[in-house]
Amino acid sequence: EAQVTQNPRYLITVTGKKLTVTCSQNMNHEYMSWYRQDPGLGLRQIYYSMNVEVTDKGDVPEGYKVSRKEKRNFPLILESPSPNQTSLYFCASRTGGHGYTFGSGTRLTVV
Amino acid sequence: KQEVTQIPAALSVPEGENLVLNCSFTDSAIYNLQWFRQDPGKGLTSLLLIQSSQREQTSGRLNASLDKSSGRSTLYIAASQPGDSATYLCAVRTRSSGDKLTFGTGTRLAVRP
Repeated sequence: EAQVTQNPRYLITVTGKKLTVTCSQNMNHEYMSWYRQDPGLGLRQIYYSMNVEVTDKGDVPEGYKVSRKEKRNFPLILESPSPNQTSLYFCASRTGGHGYTFGSGTRLTVV
Repeated sequence: KQEVTQIPAALSVPEGENLVLNCSFTDSAIYNLQWFRQDPGKGLTSLLLIQSSQREQTSGRLNASLDKSSGRSTLYIAASQPGDSATYLCAVRTRSSGDKLTFGTGTRLAVRP
């Protein structure tokens, strides 16, 4: 089944403890993105990648890092999480002129 | 900077009604527009994708139209069912915005049995 898989689905962590949210797609898509969704603010792009080793900032990149060493994987790294990064995170991918396919989401709580 | 607005913010209808959800955007230089459905606390499910050169797309009881020149799209849902209850989001990919989807804030739909 064609899909975008994120792990974990739920995560509670403490301020300052580094964490990684993994994202993997099995559709050989070139483009991948991370979004966060917050009440009243909607979905905002954090980072995106147009192919292996090509990444760029979205609208809200502060406090996040990404890497794209392989085409299928696009992990989101929070090196020193803070409470304002508590959010629902989505990974997405697409190819060519097609629309985006989204993962099921990761609900992160930073205490 | 692209801005996407969805009206109404919330809608409650009895089962069986036909309904229209509206989406407007400020920059008409788009690649495409995508409609999504989101159930509470869940991921986004793509419903329809309309390319900038297209006027409409249909899938089952759903029909989406696009008027790029006026910056508008509508999602028409025929014969609504309680299972259609969800938040509906529209998103545009704009030529000047890298590889980003700009989302509206959504329409929360409740279909009463």
